[in-house]
Amino acid sequence: ETGVTQSPTHLIKTRGQQVTLRCSSQSGHNTVSWYQQALGQGPQFIFQYYREEENGRGNFPPRFSGLQFPNYSSELNVNALELDDSALYLCASSPDGHTQYFGPGTRLLVL
Amino acid sequence: DAKTTQPPSMDCAEGRAANLPCNHSTISGNEYVYWYRQIHSQGPQYIIHGLKNNETNEMASLIITEDRKSSTLILPHATLRDTAVYYCIVRVGFGNEKLTFGTGTRLTIIP
Repeated sequence: ETGVTQSPTHLIKTRGQQVTLRCSSQSGHNTVSWYQQALGQGPQFIFQYYREEENGRGNFPPRFSGLQFPNYSSELNVNALELDDSALYLCASSPDGHTQYFGPGTRLLVL
Repeated sequence: DAKTTQPPSMDCAEGRAANLPCNHSTISGNEYVYWYRQIHSQGPQYIIHGLKNNETNEMASLIITEDRKSSTLILPHATLRDTAVYYCIVRVGFGNEKLTFGTGTRLTIIP
């Protein structure tokens, strides 16, 4: 039990739609990171937020965006969904920059 | 790109020690070795990390060679619940650096 929760657990969208995924982490975890995991692959870093500011970004287009809120929750928004966006989306929070605690993920299917 | 090399799969008998190797020959002096595992359809779980000394916690032991170019994760008494994909990751242990996952080792515990 990591104390990191994500919602929804599963989601089905159609190509071109927009989606918002949510993550809630533990009090005091100032850093939150989002990862995308395609089937059979390791997680790929999307971006990271530290104290509500973006603090690093992986090789993902601008239609992937995020927010972090003062209450240790965060959002991942994806616009203009494509079929290849179908994946498990993971958020991870960290209290110290060392150890990251992952949530269970949101499985997104784009049809 | 991931900075580590791991065998794609391994088997281990239940109750025996599982020894998972990792090669990280290009590791820098300020980079730590981290191990995470991912049980099917769940978020990755932190196991252990180390810089140059051997480390042990309630889950596992981490043995790092003196030249730091390779390491071994040891699960002392493997159970069926240890069946998972194990990821070896090197990263700077501060500054909220992202985790770069490779393809990991799929460990199967055999009854």
